[in-house]
Amino acid sequence: AQKITQTQPGMFVQEKEAVTLDCTYDTSDPSYGLFWYKQPSSGEMIFLIYQGSYDQQNATEGRYSLNFQKARKSANLVISASQLGDSAMYFCAMREGANNLFFGTGTRLTVIP
Amino acid sequence: NAGVTQTPKFQVLKTGQSMTLQCAQDMNHNSMYWYRQDPGMGLRLIYYSASEGTTDKGEVPNGYNVSRLNKREFSLRLESAAPSQTSVYFCASSVGPSSYNSPLHFGNGTRLTVT
Repeated sequence: AQKITQTQPGMFVQEKEAVTLDCTYDTSDPSYGLFWYKQPSSGEMIFLIYQGSYDQQNATEGRYSLNFQKARKSANLVISASQLGDSAMYFCAMREGANNLFFGTGTRLTVIP
Repeated sequence: NAGVTQTPKFQVLKTGQSMTLQCAQDMNHNSMYWYRQDPGMGLRLIYYSASEGTTDKGEVPNGYNVSRLNKREFSLRLESAAPSQTSVYFCASSVGPSSYNSPLHFGNGTRLTVT
């Protein structure tokens, strides 16, 4: 079974609007972390935001927030006030227990001026 | 502050040739990783090293070997390159094996083409 599922291969958003990128995960480990990474066309992987399985509140980092619904096993990324520089691939990832970070297949976001 | 440094950035190999991808981190991290990224498949773990002196297989280890040379350096070797190993390779590091809440920090990637 897939550990991380991102069902939106591509998304479009108007500049200055908000957009939600979907992510669902599968784990039976009570201790896990959820991460979002941005990969611009230049290719580097940029860490955006983290949510822990025991965190009571949704994580926020500037214009990024994570809509964490534990019972539904979803960890959607919300980007507010989209900018042209937000156009990139976005990967959701999960870390269980000790080591590996499992990645989804990504969502390509295009911001339209 | 270099973070994670990978060399080379680009490489073209012929089938059957060997090469080593180098990775070094200056963040005093304990754990290091090698991933490959293929179109439509996200990133998949090849090998990782939870701490200096240990290495373990990930999801797609066949055709690769690794060496954790010291705490800073973790190399990936292709002994006999195959076209199926054409990919972008990322090295990453994180604080430690028991820290599920620490993110991985990535290098800039190596684009490898095997003809």
